[in-house]
This record gives sequence, structure tokens and C-alpha cells, in this order.
Amino acid sequence: DGGITQSPKYLFRKEGQNVTLSCEQNLNHDAMYWYRQDPGQGLRLIYYSQIVNDFQKGDIAEGYSVSREKKESFPLTVTSAQKNPTAFYLCASGELPQETQYFGPGTRLLVL
Amino acid sequence: KQEVTQIPAALSVPEGENLVLNCSFTDSAIYNLQWFRQDPGKGLTSLLLIQSSQREQTSGRLNASLDKSSGRSTLYIAASQPGDSATYLCAVCGGETSGSRLTFGEGTQLTVNP
Repeated sequence: DGGITQSPKYLFRKEGQNVTLSCEQNLNHDAMYWYRQDPGQGLRLIYYSQIVNDFQKGDIAEGYSVSREKKESFPLTVTSAQKNPTAFYLCASGELPQETQYFGPGTRLLVL
Repeated sequence: KQEVTQIPAALSVPEGENLVLNCSFTDSAIYNLQWFRQDPGKGLTSLLLIQSSQREQTSGRLNASLDKSSGRSTLYIAASQPGDSATYLCAVCGGETSGSRLTFGEGTQLTVNP
């Protein structure tokens, strides 16, 4: 059953804590993306990767970090430097940059 | 910088009505335009993708058109059903400063009443 999985579904962060969101795909896509969605708003690009061991900053990369050690995995770390992390985080993948993107179910991050 | 605007922000219609959602973008140098559907608390589902060389795409009761020169796209939903209730997002791929990244509009929240 091909697709994109994200875990956990809900994540709670304490002040000063780093947390990592998981994204895995078995679609054999080269490109992977992380987006942030705030209530009533569209998606904003955090980071993206078009190939293993390479990634680029999106529009709102400050306070976030990523790695791409395997083709199928693109974890996102929300660091303590991100002062307003409460949001819905969506991971996506695609075969080429210009082709359609397939989205995971999302992770909702809340601050305690 | 590419900017995408969707009008209206919210729409409520009775079941069976035909409706049009609008999307406009500022930089016409795009590779393609996509329409997505998002249910509350869920990820996005791709509905239609129109390449820059195409004028429209159809899937079932959905028809999307693209006028690249004027920076506009419309999503037409025929014979709307309560199950169509969701947020519809427009996204463009490309633009002189956006490269091959997607730029999203803020979405139109559609409610179809039985």
C-alpha cells in the first residue's frame, strides 16, 4: 500500500525542547517537502529536498532543521529557536519538482 | 515573488448547485497549476493538475481551466453534493523567483447544504 506516512498525529512540545516529526514515503519519489499550515491560511514551505543528502531552505526555515539520509525519509526537527511552533505540519513528496505532490496526513504540534 | 489569491474565502450553497471557485496568481511564468482538496484536520488530496501549455483538465464533476496570460484559474464543480464540503486550495508551480516550488493560496472553504 503506497503512500506517505507521518508520525505522530499529535505532538506536544515543552518550552526549550526540540521535537522531531517523522515523514516516510514508499512511492520512490526523489523530492520531499515540509510545509506549515496555520489556521485559515495556505501552506508555507519550510524545507525541501530533491535528492538524498541535499536540501534547501524554503520561505520559513528559521527555527527548523531537516536531514535526508535515505530516499524514503525526511524528518523535520522543530528547535527551541522556533518561538511559535503551534501549527499543522504537512509532508509531501513528488517524482519531479514540477509534478504533482502527494501529501501525508499531517502532524499537529501543540505547545504545553 | 509569486502570490496566489483565492476568491471567495468561504462559500455556502444548496445541494445540486453548480459553482465556481477562483484563483489568481501574479507571475505567469509557471510550470503548472494544481487544485487540492483538504478535509478538516487532514492532508491534501490532489484533484487536478494543469500544465502551463494546457487550457483545462476534467475529472468527473470537476473542471479546471487555466488562463496563464491573465494569471487566472477556475475550478468548476457541477451538481454539488454534501460530500464536496471541504477546503479547496489552489497552488502554482513556478514563477521567476519561485523556481519549481509550489505557492499556495489561502483556500476556499466550501459548504454544501443538503
